Amino acid sequence: DAGVTQSPTHLIKTRGQQVTLRCSPKSGHDTVSWYQQALGQGPQFIFQYYEEEERQRGNFPDRFSGHQFPNYSSELNVNALLLGDSALYLCASSLPTDTSEQYFGPGTRLTVT
Amino acid sequence: GESVGLHLPTLSVQEGDNSIINCAYSNSASDYFIWYKQESGKGPQFIIDIRSNMDKRQGQRVTVLLNKTVKHLSLQIAATQPGDSAVYFCAENFYGQNFVFGPGTRLSVLP
Repeated sequence: DAGVTQSPTHLIKTRGQQVTLRCSPKSGHDTVSWYQQALGQGPQFIFQYYEEEERQRGNFPDRFSGHQFPNYSSELNVNALLLGDSALYLCASSLPTDTSEQYFGPGTRLTVT
Repeated sequence: GESVGLHLPTLSVQEGDNSIINCAYSNSASDYFIWYKQESGKGPQFIIDIRSNMDKRQGQRVTVLLNKTVKHLSLQIAATQPGDSAVYFCAENFYGQNFVFGPGTRLSVLP
């Protein structure tokens, strides 16, 4: 079992650009959550996807959007990048019967210059 | 929104000693708590969890204590090893809503 995988590992973008990050959940998981982790801080919840729909959303602007595909994989899109969007973006997947315990991927390190 | 905080941002312990990492949470209605370990360059890794109807839970070399009266959570690591060096986060959850993470404590194990 590959666990939760994310791509790319690292990414450098310029302010104002758009970025798409990808996540494949752990086998058997159908719920995917995205978190932003700024350097030296704890992860902050962005949103959660289940059955291809956004189920919960944290306090993030509309520039952050997502998608979940029929195979449960997910994308995080960020438009009009700001310097403050530089962070580690984590994807977590969970069991269909218990969303409490989440399994995290290694993250994508986004740097906005 | 509600937040979870930590008393000690850094903790250094001698190899073989016991470690205690503390966490204060603010939402008295939270019903589920998890401790995560995050090593450099990796995502958070589940260590141990506890539900609000318990006050203690033990795992392999780790124990989590929950004091709902003072809204305090602690993680005890027995016989700390070099491989335990990492940042530790507590996270709280309210009835299946999103997890709220604290800022983390860095644990350094000294040889």
